[in-house]
Amino acid sequence: EVHLLDSGGALVQPGGSLTLSCAASGFSFSDYAMNWVRQAPGKGLEWVSTITLDGGHTYYADSVKGRFTISRDNSKNTLHLQLNSLRAEDTAIYHCVQGYSSFDFWGQGTMVTVSS
Amino acid sequence: DIQMTQSPSSVSASVGDRVTITCRASQRISWLAWYQQKPGEAPKALIYVVSSLQSGVPPRFSGSGSGTDFSLTISSLQPEDFATYFCQQGNSFPRTFGQGTKVEVK
Repeated sequence: EVHLLDSGGALVQPGGSLTLSCAASGFSFSDYAMNWVRQAPGKGLEWVSTITLDGGHTYYADSVKGRFTISRDNSKNTLHLQLNSLRAEDTAIYHCVQGYSSFDFWGQGTMVTVSS
Repeated sequence: DIQMTQSPSSVSASVGDRVTITCRASQRISWLAWYQQKPGEAPKALIYVVSSLQSGVPPRFSGSGSGTDFSLTISSLQPEDFATYFCQQGNSFPRTFGQGTKVEVK
């Protein structure tokens, strides 16, 4: 059974930094592209970033480009998202998601709140 | 960017009803997925590449369409189907979602 455990969310001040992590199990992690998708409170879904199975290619939403960095460690079956220069509008639940063209399995999410 | 527009934004229905949700893309696409989300839960994948059911999804769910116009149909609404549904295009980056359709109890 696929299991994605998101962690690292916290309350952080505007301009601050944070690292989110996702521990994957139940599938061959290195065979799948991975993503982060976020959902602001009471709002819809917003794709944030994708990393290919070997980490060779990364893609970002314009809203986070230059501030967020996605990475993966296939030896540890983990996915990361480094969040820098955080803004109030980054407040959301961040989900780790397996897939490339579609998002097949979702973690429960970790809450990031940006507020002073 | 490819814009995804869902309609309606909400629909009131009863158990046993047939419910159809539409999704329109701002340009032609071939990879369209649908998700179901219940309050307090992560989204669940229902359909990929327009009409293929994810493993374990009941056959009362079906997807169809081509080009720019797509739909998700629930043939006979069950109590567990009251939720919000999102479409998503996977043809190009940035990946984009529709704004969601809430299926509510009539």
